[in-house]
Amino acid sequence: AAGVIQSPRHLIKEKRETATLKCYPIPRHDTVYWYQQGPGQDPQFLISFYEKMQSDKGSIPDRFSAQQFSDYHSELNMSSLELGDSALYFCASSSQGNEQYFGPGTRLTVT
Amino acid sequence: EDKVVQSPLSLVVHEGDTVTLNCSYEVTNFRSLLWYKQEKKAPTFLFMLTSSGIEKKSGRLSSILDKKELFSILNITATQTGDSAVYLCATYNTDKLIFGTGTRLQVFP
Repeated sequence: AAGVIQSPRHLIKEKRETATLKCYPIPRHDTVYWYQQGPGQDPQFLISFYEKMQSDKGSIPDRFSAQQFSDYHSELNMSSLELGDSALYFCASSSQGNEQYFGPGTRLTVT
Repeated sequence: EDKVVQSPLSLVVHEGDTVTLNCSYEVTNFRSLLWYKQEKKAPTFLFMLTSSGIEKKSGRLSSILDKKELFSILNITATQTGDSAVYLCATYNTDKLIFGTGTRLQVFP
């Protein structure tokens, strides 16, 4: 069965640079979620999209923005990167508010 | 403030033991509670519980929800080394998942 696809899997950036993470949800899933997981921490909700419209917003910094495109893939744009942004970024998708399936994550390292 | 609390934080057992992981929650707009298993990668979905008192079972794993007392348990019987992972409990608040800090389970042969 198709799973959530994320790219890239690993990304190394310097402080103040910009990063773009991509997510391709499971086909026919209507909702996409972004989470940030720091070392030894639980995933923290950032933002979600339902049918290409932003549906909920969590603890997402103003330096970050996201959108969902007509083909349902989503991108998380992160600007003015800080050392503290180093984390695993997961994308998840669900259908009609049921269980969320997580992608493999993008490990972002900011140096 | 919404919160999900898991206990114990860490558990070390031998293969064949049975373990019970606990999750309590205080969440507005509660819809359902989910259990995930996380090894060194993405959380893998285990169960979603919406109704009280109905046990969900998958092989050696089972889980139940008590909406009156606001908690859930995850049972793993006859543990195997492959069960070693962090087990995350999460609740839906409207559209987003709120995670607990997880229980780290280590199963030794």
